[in-house]
Amino acid sequence: GAVVSQHPSWVICKSGTSVKIECRSLDFQATTMFWYRQFPKQSLMLMATSNEGSKATYEQGVEKDKFLINHASLTLSTLTVTSAHPEDSSFYICSAIGGRTSYEQYFGPGTRLTVT
Amino acid sequence: EDKVVQSPLSLVVHEGDTVTLNCSYEVTNFRSLLWYKQEKKAPTFLFMLTSSGIEKKSGRLSSILDKKELFSILNITATQTGDSAVYLCAVEAGGGSEKLVFGKGTKLTVNP
Repeated sequence: GAVVSQHPSWVICKSGTSVKIECRSLDFQATTMFWYRQFPKQSLMLMATSNEGSKATYEQGVEKDKFLINHASLTLSTLTVTSAHPEDSSFYICSAIGGRTSYEQYFGPGTRLTVT
Repeated sequence: EDKVVQSPLSLVVHEGDTVTLNCSYEVTNFRSLLWYKQEKKAPTFLFMLTSSGIEKKSGRLSSILDKKELFSILNITATQTGDSAVYLCAVEAGGGSEKLVFGKGTKLTVNP
């Protein structure tokens, strides 16, 4: 149990286009979901925290108009990278709380975004 | 500002060696410290520590937390090539946000 999926697993897009990444909790209701990005050989950096039905809380330095987060249901959160640029190329990982325990974050497999 | 520092940043050992990975932290409203193993994709959960001095063990891996000195160690005994990965330490800072602050990780390479 406590499986989190992400779709797509990798995506290549052109500069200026928008890309949507989905994060789903498959067998539990996720009260909170988190979005991270990870550059090569670096650690995970939290971008934002999202709670179902409310606006996401963004970390300092993360542009909320560029990285749109929607947590429409207890099993789905989406991250849309708007007007993508090559510097947005990164590994995006989501995690969710609400599985077997109230505290453990379950990570999705990640989405590799390449902007050309 | 919340901070998590891991050392060493990288480590190369031979199979059978024992390794100790370090994690120190400075956060407000500490709730827990977690260790993850990251291979090619997303991190996988290893341990969660909330109390000082209580060792958590899983096979060849063990971890302990010192809340007075603000650090934790992750030990791996009799290392195997499959232990090669980046080990991430994260601290959950409270205040209701449940967010994790990650260290930069220790890249462990175990050679045969």
